[in-house]
Amino acid sequence: QKEVEQNSGPLSVPEGAIASLNCTYSDRVSQSFFWYRQYSGKSPELIMSIYSNGDKEDGRFTAQLNKASQYVSLLIRDSQPSDSATYLCAVIPGYSSASKIIFGSGTRLSIRP
Amino acid sequence: DGGITQSPKYLFRKEGQNVTLSCEQNLNHDAMYWYRQDPGQGLRLIYYSQIVNDFQKGDIAEGYSVSREKKESFPLTVTSAQKNPTAFYLCASNHRDLTNSPLHFGNGTRLTVT
Repeated sequence: QKEVEQNSGPLSVPEGAIASLNCTYSDRVSQSFFWYRQYSGKSPELIMSIYSNGDKEDGRFTAQLNKASQYVSLLIRDSQPSDSATYLCAVIPGYSSASKIIFGSGTRLSIRP
Repeated sequence: DGGITQSPKYLFRKEGQNVTLSCEQNLNHDAMYWYRQDPGQGLRLIYYSQIVNDFQKGDIAEGYSVSREKKESFPLTVTSAQKNPTAFYLCASNHRDLTNSPLHFGNGTRLTVT
């Protein structure tokens, strides 16, 4: 079992709808969770970080963390074509430093006009 | 503007040649990292450094070498011993002393070895 799992997609969502991206992780005591957006041929860009159970909102983005079920999700409201990218989930397992961060393989999101 | 600069953006080399990828940051970050990304795969850690003159192997260090002589700079050398060097290489940095400090990435170097 991979330590951080994401559905590779592609996930196709109509423009203006809500895109929902999910990520599960195996280390129960993980503390730090991140979502990165990566456009084709570009480097990852941090869009959200979350450390406590519940929701964290930033503009059109909402990160949701459920430590009991070991999943973290990213919701994108009012999806735009510019949101089309690969979204990487990253987790720092246990009480480790960032050197131990584990990245998922990413979910490719496509927003159709 | 603060950031991480990787150069060059594209690099082409013949098999058997060593090549050095540059990474410079002006974010005053203590820790720096090198990752490799292959198509359809997640990021894999090659080497990281948390302070000057010290660095640690990551998950796939074989065939690579690094140095950390200055806080701002963390160059990566891809040696001829690396069996499959063609990949997208990403440099990242963060604050070592902040447990939850996220990684910030440079723009990457795409290396092609033929």
